Amino acid sequence: QKEVEQNSGPLSVPEGAIASLNCTYSDRGSQSFFWYRQYSGKSPELIMSIYSNGDKEDGRFTAQLNKASQYVSLLIRDSQPSDSATYLCAVKGNEKLTFGTGTRLTIIP
Amino acid sequence: EAQVTQNPRYLITVTGKKLTVTCSQNMNHEYMSWYRQDPGLGLRQIYYSMNVEVTDKGDVPEGYKVSRKEKRNFPLILESPSPNQTSLYFCASSFRQGSYGYTFGSGTRLTVV
Repeated sequence: QKEVEQNSGPLSVPEGAIASLNCTYSDRGSQSFFWYRQYSGKSPELIMSIYSNGDKEDGRFTAQLNKASQYVSLLIRDSQPSDSATYLCAVKGNEKLTFGTGTRLTIIP
Repeated sequence: EAQVTQNPRYLITVTGKKLTVTCSQNMNHEYMSWYRQDPGLGLRQIYYSMNVEVTDKGDVPEGYKVSRKEKRNFPLILESPSPNQTSLYFCASSFRQGSYGYTFGSGTRLTVV
């Protein structure tokens, strides 16, 4: 079992709709959770962090964390073509930050 | 501007010719790390450093060396590059080990022929 799992996609969402990205992790002791956005050929950019169960909202982005079920999700409301990118989930356990392989999101105009 | 600076952005080299990829951060971060990114494999950690003179292996350290003589700099050294080290490399830094998320450099695309 991979430490951090994401559906690789591609996930296609119409412009203006809600995009939902999911991530599961294996280490129950994980403490910190992050979502990064990566455009093709560019470096990952931190867009959300979440540390406790529940929802955290920042603009059009909402991160959701459920430690009991060991999953993290990212919702993007009012999706824009500029949101087309690969989204990486990252989870910090005791010693290191582990990345998933990413979900490729395409927003269809 | 707070940033992580990597150089070069692109590099083509031949097998066996030693090379160094530089990484510098201006945020006074304690933690620095090198990753390689390959299609289907995601970001894999090569080496990391918790602070000056403290370095440790990540998941894929074979064929690489690092040093941390100063807090701001964390160069990646390939003593004898091989074609399987062709990849996209990222340097990243953080105030602490991962607790606050990483700031990534712009990346170095390395091709070894």
